Amino acid sequence: QSVLTQPPSVSGAPGQRVSISCTGSSSNLGARFDVHWYQQFPGTVPKLLIYGDRKRPSGVPERFSASTSGTSASLAISGLQAEDEADYYCQSYDITLGTYVFGSGTKVNVL
Amino acid sequence: DVQLVESGGGLVKPGGSLRLSCAGSGFTFSKAWMNWVRQPPGKGLEWVGHILPKSKGGTSEHSPDLRGKFYVSRDDSLDTAYLDMNSLSTEDTAVYYCTTENYFDVGRYFDFWGRGTLVTVSS
Repeated sequence: QSVLTQPPSVSGAPGQRVSISCTGSSSNLGARFDVHWYQQFPGTVPKLLIYGDRKRPSGVPERFSASTSGTSASLAISGLQAEDEADYYCQSYDITLGTYVFGSGTKVNVL
Repeated sequence: DVQLVESGGGLVKPGGSLRLSCAGSGFTFSKAWMNWVRQPPGKGLEWVGHILPKSKGGTSEHSPDLRGKFYVSRDDSLDTAYLDMNSLSTEDTAVYYCTTENYFDVGRYFDFWGRGTLVTVSS
């Protein structure tokens, strides 16, 4: 069972905006540790999508954005495209466990 | 360009041991924090452990669930990180990724990933 909870899936039509939540606790997100997000297409390697709560690495489209609030974080995809269909994972650090932790993962379906 | 190439995966019997290797290039390996992250088939990501550069003490740290069973090490003369896995069980079946680790503000994240190597534990 993952320390960071994400919805199993979210769906949206092309052009719509979808949001993925990542819910933690006072020992990770609530302890002000940054949240990072990864994108993984089926059968491929995870790719860093967002780091430091909301910063995009070079090459990541601006339609990917993220935010945090208390013990939760959120990844938003605006102007959803068919190529965005993938699994998305949040990641942070848990001070109680003393380990890096990942979310359970969310599959984005483009209708 | 940063490249990470894992090797050493394969089929191993329950109770067996295996050593994975990760060869890095395109960056200053000796300064890098090197990690292993695993992903069981059809499941999510799990951090296994990492090793700090010698300049930070060269310490290795591991997931509490795997401490004492898995061990991360490095050989900077070969630009290679290793993951030694012992007492393997079927639950250790996964793709094992080698990653580099970076930091921003109060967070650390995994910026570059290898293609992974599959470890299958089965009798």
